[in-house]
Amino acid sequence: EVQLVESGGGLVQPGGSLRLSCAASGFTFSSYEMNWVRQAPGKGLEWVSYISSSGSTIYYADSVKGRFTISRDNAKNSLYLQMNSLRAEDTAVYYCARGYYYDSSGRYFDYWGQGTLVTVSS
Amino acid sequence: DIQMTQSPSSLSASVGDRVTITCRASQSISSYLNWYQQKPGKAPKLLIYAASSLQSGVPSRFSGSGSGTDFTLTISSLQPEDFATYYCQQSYSTLKTFGQGTKLEIK
Repeated sequence: EVQLVESGGGLVQPGGSLRLSCAASGFTFSSYEMNWVRQAPGKGLEWVSYISSSGSTIYYADSVKGRFTISRDNAKNSLYLQMNSLRAEDTAVYYCARGYYYDSSGRYFDYWGQGTLVTVSS
Repeated sequence: DIQMTQSPSSLSASVGDRVTITCRASQSISSYLNWYQQKPGKAPKLLIYAASSLQSGVPSRFSGSGSGTDFTLTISSLQPEDFATYYCQQSYSTLKTFGQGTKLEIK
């Protein structure tokens, strides 16, 4: 059974840092692309970042570029999101999601974790 | 960036109704369009990918259509468990944007 379990959320002051983790199991982690998606309280879904299966290709949403860093450790079956210079508008539930691609542009998120809440407030 | 716009933002319907939700992309995305369902406090669930392909295990009352810039998600006969929020997402570009969501409520 595919499982994605996020951790590392919590309360942080504006300007602070936090590192989220996503532990994967039930599939060959090193073969899959991974993503972070967030959802502010009462709001819609916002794609945050993407990392290829090898870690060689990375993309970020404009809203987090330069502040967030996605990474993965295939030996540990883990995905990470280092979040620096946090702002109130970064407050959200952060989900990790497995990406599946079926052609050069065709991708979807087929498994999601339960999410971890990040609150940025003084 | 490609912008995704869903309509309506909210919708009231009854069990047994046929419901259609629309998603429009700001530029052509071919058929690279996914639909997700999200219930309160839960992670999103993939329903449809590649505009019209039903994800394994999803009931056949869900269907998707469209290409280019205009897409629809149709639920042929609403069931009580279908009341949720629905999101479209494009995968054409590297920045995989979602629509703002459509909340489907019980009338």
